[in-house]
Amino acid sequence: NAGVTQTPKFQVLKTGQSMTLQCAQDMNHNSMYWYRQDPGMGLRLIYYSASEGTTDKGEVPNGYNVSRLNKREFSLRLESAAPSQTSVYFCASSEARKGVGGHSNQPQHFGDGTRLSIL
Amino acid sequence: AQSVTQLGSHVSVSEGALVLLRCNYSSSVPPYLFWYVQYPNQGLQLLLKYTSAATLVKGINGFEAEFKKSETSFHLTKPSAHMSDAAEYFCAVCRATSNTGKLIFGQGTTLQVKP
Repeated sequence: NAGVTQTPKFQVLKTGQSMTLQCAQDMNHNSMYWYRQDPGMGLRLIYYSASEGTTDKGEVPNGYNVSRLNKREFSLRLESAAPSQTSVYFCASSEARKGVGGHSNQPQHFGDGTRLSIL
Repeated sequence: AQSVTQLGSHVSVSEGALVLLRCNYSSSVPPYLFWYVQYPNQGLQLLLKYTSAATLVKGINGFEAEFKKSETSFHLTKPSAHMSDAAEYFCAVCRATSNTGKLIFGQGTTLQVKP
């Protein structure tokens, strides 16, 4: 059972180049998420998709776009990479069922990350 | 708005000693809380979660956490540290909006275990 698979694992780009980070999950989860992880800042949400066909901005969406291709796949695109986007990117998924008080009590499952360097 | 604060970016303990990693949250509504662990060059793995069923939550690898509403805390403990516990630990709270499952993460605490 692969869980959440991210490709590529490593990438080096030049400023201004574009690229797409791929993410796929095989757990039939409704919700998917993209985070970036920077030292001392924890994980910050870039975009999320609560269900197939919907996407919404998170805390730090500027410079990124996403596509929820189908229930399994959620891609993150950098149209014109900048050095400030050097980071480790994580994709996650969850069942996101509504619990008491309207919250989701299902944990997120994470991929192993994509380490992106922009020169 | 919800937020999470982890006290101490680095914690160092001796093997066999008590592990205590601190997490305080801010939330205007009852939260759901999570602890995740991240080993080097890996993604985050769920250690345990609090979803209002019981205030003392037991997780994997001998870790547990206690939800204290009066202190707005959810500290992570383990009675006896093992070398394999060396990793980065993240506390997270579920945002009180829709049922999207969005999480707010703390800054992380790196646990060092000395022989």
